[in-house]
Amino acid sequence: KAGVTQTPRYLIKTRGQQVTLSCSPISGHRSVSWYQQTPGQGLQFLFEYFSETQRNKGNFPGRFSGRQFSNSRSEMNVSTLELGDSALYLCASSLDTETGELFFGEGSRLTVL
Amino acid sequence: AQSVTQPDIHITVSEGASLELRCNYSYGATPYLFWYVQSPGQGLQLLLKYFSGDTLVQGIKGFEAEFKRSQSSFNLRKPSVHWSDAAEYFCAVGVGNDMRFGAGTRLTVKP
Repeated sequence: KAGVTQTPRYLIKTRGQQVTLSCSPISGHRSVSWYQQTPGQGLQFLFEYFSETQRNKGNFPGRFSGRQFSNSRSEMNVSTLELGDSALYLCASSLDTETGELFFGEGSRLTVL
Repeated sequence: AQSVTQPDIHITVSEGASLELRCNYSYGATPYLFWYVQSPGQGLQLLLKYFSGDTLVQGIKGFEAEFKRSQSSFNLRKPSVHWSDAAEYFCAVGVGNDMRFGAGTRLTVKP
């Protein structure tokens, strides 16, 4: 069974640009969550999608957005990039049971210059 | 609001020595508790989880954790550390997809 796949793994952007990251969940998983990981702030929850609907949202500005497609694949977009957006962006999928075990991808490392 | 505290930012142990990583949580009810491990440049891998029942849970790679309700703790242990255990360890608490992570504990293993 394939794991969670994130693309691209690495990317470099400049301030003001926008970026789109992609996440393919484990087959059968309908919930996809996104996290931002930085050395200073640790793992911070961005948002969670289930059946193409955003169910939960963390405390991030509106420049951070996401969506989920009918096949459960998800994308997140960051517009008007800032230096502080440099981070590892992790996607996690789950079966959406009460126990909520998350399965993580390897992440997309974004560097903003 | 639920929260997780990992008091130790960095721990160094010698290979073969025992290990205990601390985790304290704050939650209104009995939470679901998890330990994840992250190797450099990788995503997070689930080590073990506690939902209910026996308070001592066994995980992968020889790790175990004990849930202590009275202390609101869920500490991770391993009797003998291997060099390959060097990584960052995250404790998490959650229900459904509302998952909160601790700040992590970085483990260094000395030869």
